[in-house]
Amino acid sequence: ETGVTQTPRHLVMGMTNKKSLKCEQHLGHNAMYWYKQSAKKPLELMFVYNFKEQTENNSVPSRFSPECPNSSHLFLHLHTLQPEDSALYLCATDSGGAVNEQFFGPGTRLTVL
Amino acid sequence: GENVEQHPSTLSVQEGDSAVIKCTYSDSASNYFPWYKQELGKGPQLIIDIRSNVGEKKDQRIAVTLNKTAKHFSLHITETQPEDSAVYFCAASKGVNFGNEKLTFGTGTRLTIIP
Repeated sequence: ETGVTQTPRHLVMGMTNKKSLKCEQHLGHNAMYWYKQSAKKPLELMFVYNFKEQTENNSVPSRFSPECPNSSHLFLHLHTLQPEDSALYLCATDSGGAVNEQFFGPGTRLTVL
Repeated sequence: GENVEQHPSTLSVQEGDSAVIKCTYSDSASNYFPWYKQELGKGPQLIIDIRSNVGEKKDQRIAVTLNKTAKHFSLHITETQPEDSAVYFCAASKGVNFGNEKLTFGTGTRLTIIP
């Protein structure tokens, strides 16, 4: 148990659906991240939030929309996705200062039909 | 930007033998190199890290070595056990000096320990 939970663990959606992924952390950390993990590719950083402010958007298509309402919760809103968006989406947190260990959630396995 | 290459992509080792995974990085300003282990159905978990002011770090059966001149670092697992079977990721960042720098990950190595 890393102190970072993600829901749902699995999600199947059609290309016209709208869904949201949720991440919750119980570590008191200030920085939260969304990563995309595809087979045989490095983890791709998507978004970074520091103290609830978005500090990085790694050229992610607008069909992915992050939201960080407070320092414990992070959402990824999904709409009109493409089949190539199927992947494992990982949330991570760290204390937001100098280099620190990133704690990952178990991920949401997303399949876009 | 930083580019991290990791080899091999798959590795099978007899139980009790050693396993070595290697990574190279491109940005000479990188100074923090963590290794993550990802078990099936879980997110990556940090197992060891090294900063550029040291050349080697050891924690029980796991060790990491860093060669700054050649820009490569390696993970060594000795006396491997079945529970070591997982996917291992290396990463690099400039975080020690600049703070809050993002991690650039390698493509992962699937390690299988053969009983």
